[in-house]
Amino acid sequence: ETGVTQSPTHLIKTRGQQVTLRCSSQSGHNTVSWYQQALGQGPQFIFQYYREEENGRGNFPPRFSGLQFPNYSSELNVNALELDDSALYLCASSLETQRADTQYFGPGTRLTVL
Amino acid sequence: GEDVEQSLFLSVREGDSSVINCTYTDSSSTYLYWYKQEPGAGLQLLTYIFSNMDMKQDQRLTVLLNKKDKHLSLRIADTQTGDSAIYFCAERGGFQKLVFGTGTRLLVSP
Repeated sequence: ETGVTQSPTHLIKTRGQQVTLRCSSQSGHNTVSWYQQALGQGPQFIFQYYREEENGRGNFPPRFSGLQFPNYSSELNVNALELDDSALYLCASSLETQRADTQYFGPGTRLTVL
Repeated sequence: GEDVEQSLFLSVREGDSSVINCTYTDSSSTYLYWYKQEPGAGLQLLTYIFSNMDMKQDQRLTVLLNKKDKHLSLRIADTQTGDSAIYFCAERGGFQKLVFGTGTRLLVSP
């Protein structure tokens, strides 16, 4: 049990809508990363937050945005949803000072865009 | 650039050893990881290896790293039906992100 939780578990939206996904980091972790996992693929890095600031970003458009709060919980926001945004969204928390920067994943939110 | 490749599928019998292979391209990767994903679930960290190591053993799991060939393998001894899952290898890329392969689906038959 990693202690990383995500909500909601499942979500159905229509094209053009906006969505907010939530993540609660493992206790004591100050870094959160978000990944998108399309069906049959490996997870793709979206971005990472460290101490409430974006710390790196993958190849995703600006309509993917995030927040990290003082308690290190996090949100992923996606605007103007497209059909290709249908995927499992995973968050992972880690303690930045750990050399291995081991990332512990939550169970994910399955987003379906119709 | 960063790219990780894995074979898509492996089938073994219960009690046999399983070997899952992975190749990566970023020679500057400092850590390499193995994750397990069961149906409908998130990723479970199995083990990781530092790039200056050749081998790491953790109970039934053995990780071998050939840095010259950029080849990583995960051996599961005495494979059980509960080991059936998708296994992802990942390298640590820039910005401390993880770059994942497409995953190897392991099927263990009784």
